[in-house]
Amino acid sequence: ETGVTQTPRHLVMGMTNKKSLKCEQHLGHNAMYWYKQSAKKPLELMFVYNFKEQTENNSVPSRFSPECPNSSHLFLHLHTLQPEDSALYLCASSQGPHIAGGGNIQYFGAGTRLSVL
Amino acid sequence: AQSVSQHNHHVILSEAASLELGCNYSYGGTVNLFWYVQYPGQHLQLLLKYFSGDPLVKGIKGFEAEFIKSKFSFNLRKPSVQWSDTAEYFCAVYNAGNNRKLIWGLGTSLAVNP
Repeated sequence: ETGVTQTPRHLVMGMTNKKSLKCEQHLGHNAMYWYKQSAKKPLELMFVYNFKEQTENNSVPSRFSPECPNSSHLFLHLHTLQPEDSALYLCASSQGPHIAGGGNIQYFGAGTRLSVL
Repeated sequence: AQSVSQHNHHVILSEAASLELGCNYSYGGTVNLFWYVQYPGQHLQLLLKYFSGDPLVKGIKGFEAEFIKSKFSFNLRKPSVQWSDTAEYFCAVYNAGNNRKLIWGLGTSLAVNP
């Protein structure tokens, strides 16, 4: 148990569906992250939030829409996804403000395995 | 562009064998260095880190890594692996200079045969 919980663990959706991924951290951290993990590619940082404010968006397509209502919760809203978006989506958190990429230790959730049909 | 190279993509060892996984990076300035591990079906977790000080760092489960600045390397080692070390290992390098980015390697899949 890492203190970072992601739901659902698995998600299958069609290209016209709308779904959301949820992440919750119980560590009292101030920074939260969304990553995409695909086979044979390095971990891709998608979004970063510091104290609920988005501080980084790494050219992520608009079909991915993050939301951070408070420092403990992070959502990733999905709509009109493409098959190439199928991947493991990881949420992470870290102590203290994140500085463009992060030099702090990150604590990861178990991920949501997303399949887009 | 900055990059992190993990030269071994797949490693297969027998129990009690020694392990060394390579990690090289391309940035020449101040760096924070990390090794993360992902056991089958589990979350990514920190194995060890280097921020400053002694370049030989000790991590959990008997792992260690040595930062060699002149070689831009941060290789992971363990003298005697166990079956439970079967996992994916990721090296990550944080550029603490002007372009502050955390760059991840592709990962090395380690399988330890009992």
